[in-house]
Amino acid sequence: NAGVMQNPRHLVRRRGQEARLRCSPMKGHSHVYWYRQLPEEGLKFMVYLQKENIIDESGMPKERFSAEFPKEGPSILRIQQVVRGDSAAYFCASSPDSLSGNTIYFGEGSWLTVV
Amino acid sequence: EDQVTQSPEALRLQEGESSSLNCSYTVSGLRGLFWYRQDPGKGPEFLFTLYSAGEEKEKERLKATLTKKESFLHITAPKPEDSATYLCAVQGTGRRALTFGSGTRLQVQP
Repeated sequence: NAGVMQNPRHLVRRRGQEARLRCSPMKGHSHVYWYRQLPEEGLKFMVYLQKENIIDESGMPKERFSAEFPKEGPSILRIQQVVRGDSAAYFCASSPDSLSGNTIYFGEGSWLTVV
Repeated sequence: EDQVTQSPEALRLQEGESSSLNCSYTVSGLRGLFWYRQDPGKGPEFLFTLYSAGEEKEKERLKATLTKKESFLHITAPKPEDSATYLCAVQGTGRRALTFGSGTRLQVQP
């Protein structure tokens, strides 16, 4: 039973480029979350999605960041025109629907370095 | 706004020296309190979920307890492989996303 799969694990982008991070939830999970962890800081919530819907984006920066979870395929976190301050670990997590429990499981993360 | 405070920030123990990690929280209705372990360069690994005051859960050398204001992660006779950052998070009613504390970095020396 595969866990939450994230790719790429490591990504290097020059300032101004775009970064796309992908996440496939655990089998049977319909809820996806994205978190960001800056160096020496805690995990900060960014966005919560279900298939084709953004449910809670209260933690997303207003500009340059977007997320989607299409009907088919993985969830994508997209960062346009990256800046050095975007360098961080981005974690995706998933959970089943509420009838099956609410435990949230995390992937291994995608480490973005902006040079 | 949900808030989680973990203490201490860092803890160094000798192998076999038991101790406790604290997680204080404020939340508008607790749906669940979660403990995770995170190793360097890895994602958080789920340990426990606690749902109501008085609940306790155990796994090997770890035991988590919950009151209305805080949770404790007790580590009994720790081993060097228990060295990691331990994260506490809360989930409020009406909101699925977790709010995390900053974590406690535990180092267990042989």
